[in-house]
Amino acid sequence: NAGVMQNPRHLVRRRGQEARLRCSPMKGHSHVYWYRQLPEEGLKFMVYLQKENIIDESGMPKERFSAEFPKEGPSILRIQQVVRGDSAAYFCASSPGSLNEKLFFGSGTQLSVL
Amino acid sequence: DQQVKQNSPSLSVQEGRISILNCDYTNSMFDYFLWYKKYPAEGPTFLISISSIKDKNEDGRFTVFLNKSAKHLSLHIVPSQPGDSAVYFCAASTSGTYKYIFGTGTRLKVLA
Repeated sequence: NAGVMQNPRHLVRRRGQEARLRCSPMKGHSHVYWYRQLPEEGLKFMVYLQKENIIDESGMPKERFSAEFPKEGPSILRIQQVVRGDSAAYFCASSPGSLNEKLFFGSGTQLSVL
Repeated sequence: DQQVKQNSPSLSVQEGRISILNCDYTNSMFDYFLWYKKYPAEGPTFLISISSIKDKNEDGRFTVFLNKSAKHLSLHIVPSQPGDSAVYFCAASTSGTYKYIFGTGTRLKVLA
């Protein structure tokens, strides 16, 4: 039973390019979360999705960032026109969706913007 | 507004002694709390959780204590081992919201 899979592990982009981060939740999990960790900081909530629905995106920057979790395929976190300040580790987590369930995290994608 | 705070960025403990990591929260609606451990270049892994109906939960060397009136929880590791060296995050949520708020983490170093 594979865990939460994120790819790529490392992503290098130049300023102005687009970054796409992928996350496949654990089998049987229908809830996906994205968190961002800036250097020397904690995990900041970005967005929480269920299949085909964004439930809570209160942590997402208003511009350039978007997330989806389609009926088929992985969840995608998309960052358009990246800037140096977007450089961070982006973690995806999944859960079965029941109340008080722990989150299972992927290994993260380290985004570096040159 | 940091609703979950870990005021000690780092902690060093001798092997075999007790490690105590602290976490404070401001939102009285939080009723479920978790601790995660994170090694470099890896994702956080779940350690232990506690519901607000309890004040203590134990799992092997790990015990979490919850003081609701003080809005404070702590993670005790005893005895500490070098392999426990990692960053520890506490997280909190409110039932029904599915949203987990994480603290800034405490880097624990267990000295052999």
